[in-house]
Amino acid sequence: EAGVTQSPTHLIKTRGQQATLRCSPISGHTSVYWYQQALGLGLQFLLWYDEGEERNRGNFPPRFSGRQFPNYSSELNVNALELEDSALYLCASSFSGNTIYFGEGSWLTVV
Amino acid sequence: SQKIEQNSEALNIQEGKTATLTCNYTNYSPAYLQWYRQDPGRGPVFLLLIRENEKEKRKERLKVTFDTTLKQSLFHITASQPADSATYLCALKGGSSASKIIFGSGTRLSIRP
Repeated sequence: EAGVTQSPTHLIKTRGQQATLRCSPISGHTSVYWYQQALGLGLQFLLWYDEGEERNRGNFPPRFSGRQFPNYSSELNVNALELEDSALYLCASSFSGNTIYFGEGSWLTVV
Repeated sequence: SQKIEQNSEALNIQEGKTATLTCNYTNYSPAYLQWYRQDPGRGPVFLLLIRENEKEKRKERLKVTFDTTLKQSLFHITASQPADSATYLCALKGGSSASKIIFGSGTRLSIRP
């Protein structure tokens, strides 16, 4: 069974541009979570989608947004990129909501 | 505000010994506590989940305890091996359906041969 898949693996953007990251959950999972992990730091909760609805949001500015599609895949958009947005962006999926399973992440570098 | 604290320093253990990692939390009443393993540049991997009404959970060489009075979880790896070297993350989730999962900053564990 395929795990959580994320694309792209690596992305380099210029300050001020927009980045779009994609996530496909494990088959049968309806929830998708997004976390940001800056180099050497812990996981910061970004967004949680379930059944197409946003369930919870972390303390990030509105330029971080996302959505969940009818097939439960998800997209994270980061507008007006800043240098400090450089990080590993991790997507995770869940069925029950208590345990989440992560993908390998997308590395975003803002130059 | 909710806070999760893990061993701030890296832990260096001799192979074969038991590694014990600590997770303390404040201003939170989690219904579930979980431990994940993360290797450099990779996504975290789920290891164990323990519920608030459980005191201890085991899986092979892993053992987790959960003390809601002390607001603390201990994570033990017995007969440690160099392959156990990684960062271990503690994660908490509340009981409500809208409760998000929050993570500690992790403890880096190194097992030397």
